[in-house]
Amino acid sequence: KNQVEQSPQSLIILEGKNCTLQCNYTVSPFSNLRWYKQDTGRGPVSLTIMTFSENTKSNGRYTATLDADTKQSSLHITASQLSDSASYICVVGMNTGFQKLVFGTGTRLLVSP
Amino acid sequence: NAGVTQTPKFQVLKTGQSMTLQCAQDMNHEYMSWYRQDPGMGLRLIHYSVGAGITDQGEVPNGYNVSRSTTEDFPLRLLSAAPSQTSVYFCASSYAAGGRTDTQYFGPGTRLTVL
Repeated sequence: KNQVEQSPQSLIILEGKNCTLQCNYTVSPFSNLRWYKQDTGRGPVSLTIMTFSENTKSNGRYTATLDADTKQSSLHITASQLSDSASYICVVGMNTGFQKLVFGTGTRLLVSP
Repeated sequence: NAGVTQTPKFQVLKTGQSMTLQCAQDMNHEYMSWYRQDPGMGLRLIHYSVGAGITDQGEVPNGYNVSRSTTEDFPLRLLSAAPSQTSVYFCASSYAAGGRTDTQYFGPGTRLTVL
């Protein structure tokens, strides 16, 4: 079964600290892996998209890694800010003629002052 | 450039009522889709469209109808609302359906409650 699992479910960190969110997937055929940020009451916003051949991609203070062999990805947030408080969703794309996306349930991050 | 817009933001329906959730995008994207987001679950695809006049079912299509008469608009119709359809609905669009690195843009969502 095609699944995307994220850990932890929720996380509280102090402002200025770093954190890493994990994503494991069992999706085939794999096409790409995406990380989205979803603020409360808003739609998801794309942070990074990685294909099979890419093992790291950055977007400002956000760095995503991909290990296609172990089917794992991580999102590292550096020097966290209060505005980083949000849910972070890992999404795996399948190449089935059109892009079928399998969504994880997200990690809820709270950055505390 | 407004991106993806959705109306209404909130809606309360009684069981059996029908309604249409509106979605529009001004980026000339071919691919549009509707998702629902429920607590503890990932977003699930309801219906999608790869271009004007072309629609298809996603993972959870029952109880919903769509049409795509223009590139810009992709309304979602609830035929006879049920409490199980209480959810947050997101419309999304991207440049093409097959692009491996196409960014998908989401609307702000419609929070629907069915009593």
